[in-house]
Amino acid sequence: EVQLVESGGGLVQPGGSLRLSCAASGFTFSSSWMTWVRQAPGKGLEWVANINEDSIKKDYVDSVKGRFTISRDNAKNSLYLQMNSLRAEDTAVYYCVRSGDYHFGYWGQGILVTVSS
Amino acid sequence: QSVLTQPPSVSGAPGQRVTISCTGGSSNIGAGFDVHWYQQLPGTAPKLLIYGNNNRPSGVPDRFSGSKSGTSASLDITGLQAEDEADYYCQSYNSDFSAVFGGGTKLTVL
Repeated sequence: EVQLVESGGGLVQPGGSLRLSCAASGFTFSSSWMTWVRQAPGKGLEWVANINEDSIKKDYVDSVKGRFTISRDNAKNSLYLQMNSLRAEDTAVYYCVRSGDYHFGYWGQGILVTVSS
Repeated sequence: QSVLTQPPSVSGAPGQRVTISCTGGSSNIGAGFDVHWYQQLPGTAPKLLIYGNNNRPSGVPDRFSGSKSGTSASLDITGLQAEDEADYYCQSYNSDFSAVFGGGTKLTVL
């Protein structure tokens, strides 16, 4: 069974940093593209970033470029999202997603990030 | 403002059929990228419902079907059930290989 478990969320002040982690199991992590998708309170889904199997290719939504960094550790079956210079508009539930063939097949339960003073 | 346009809400009575539209443009759906659909039940994570325009993952009832034509796509739900009440999102890709979602459609079962 595919399992994706996010951690590392919480309350942070504007301008602060946070690192999200995602522990993956139940599939061959090292052969899978991975993605972060977020959902602001009461709003729709927004793709944040992708990373390919060997970390060569990384893509970001324009609003987080230069502030967020997606990474992975295939030895630990883990995905990460380093978030710097956080803004109020980054407040959202962040989902770790196993992706492939341009769609998002499996989703974690999500982790809330709140940016507020 | 989402790149893909969906109606904010649709509704139908149990047993009826509803259709949710998803309109894109020449840089995404019209460029040949497939459309995928997700169901988000209240308080839960989204779940893949349709992939590759018209394919259902294992376990998704055949009451759900998808289609794509030109720069648009549609999700059809037949034999509406109370448990189908949820938010539905379409998704595709842009030519710059950024993923894009529709704004979501809230389905109410009357």
